[in-house]
Amino acid sequence: DGGITQSPKYLFRKEGQNVTLSCEQNLNHDAMYWYRQDPGQGLRLIYYSQIVNDFQKGDIAEGYSVSREKKESFPLTVTSAQKNPTAFYLCASNKGASNTGELFFGEGSRLTVL
Amino acid sequence: DAKTTQPTSMDCAEGRAANLPCNHSTISGNEYVYWYRQIHSQGPQYIIHGLKNNETNEMASLIITEDRKSSTLILPHATLRDTAVYYCIVRVVETSGSRLTFGEGTQLTVNP
Repeated sequence: DGGITQSPKYLFRKEGQNVTLSCEQNLNHDAMYWYRQDPGQGLRLIYYSQIVNDFQKGDIAEGYSVSREKKESFPLTVTSAQKNPTAFYLCASNKGASNTGELFFGEGSRLTVL
Repeated sequence: DAKTTQPTSMDCAEGRAANLPCNHSTISGNEYVYWYRQIHSQGPQYIIHGLKNNETNEMASLIITEDRKSSTLILPHATLRDTAVYYCIVRVVETSGSRLTFGEGTQLTVNP
């Protein structure tokens, strides 16, 4: 079945450690996105990529990094520079900049920093 | 960026229509209005979107005012499974591409 797969679903990390969240899609979508959600809050955009080997900062990019080496993959690294990394992270994709259709979401990764 | 304003919470009786309002008074001419919903701890689910005209699909109807400064999502016969946070979003188009900026959303609670 086509869709977006995020892993791991739950992740625990010690302070000062980097961690990478995986996002893979088999929908043949050009654009991919990473959002962060804190308890009781809406989604905030971290990074997005409209095409392979290109990406842009969203509203809260500090302390995060991404890569887009393959169309189907858009991993997010939460670095030790992120001051408050504990959150629910959501990856999404759609057909691309010119497409006005649906944004498909994964089931999310919940990161807890101990 | 066009920002959206939604009520924090709403209640609706099961079987009744749920009407969720959204203000987007600074929306630009080429910006679409999208609605998503999120059930607790899951990824958001697309509902519907529109530019100028009213839209309807199997899930809901979207009514956009003529000046496009506000819209209403209508769930015609709400069920308990419609309890979720509903997000009204404006699609922002930039030179680097487009993105969806989410607000706080409306917590809709459907009561038996």
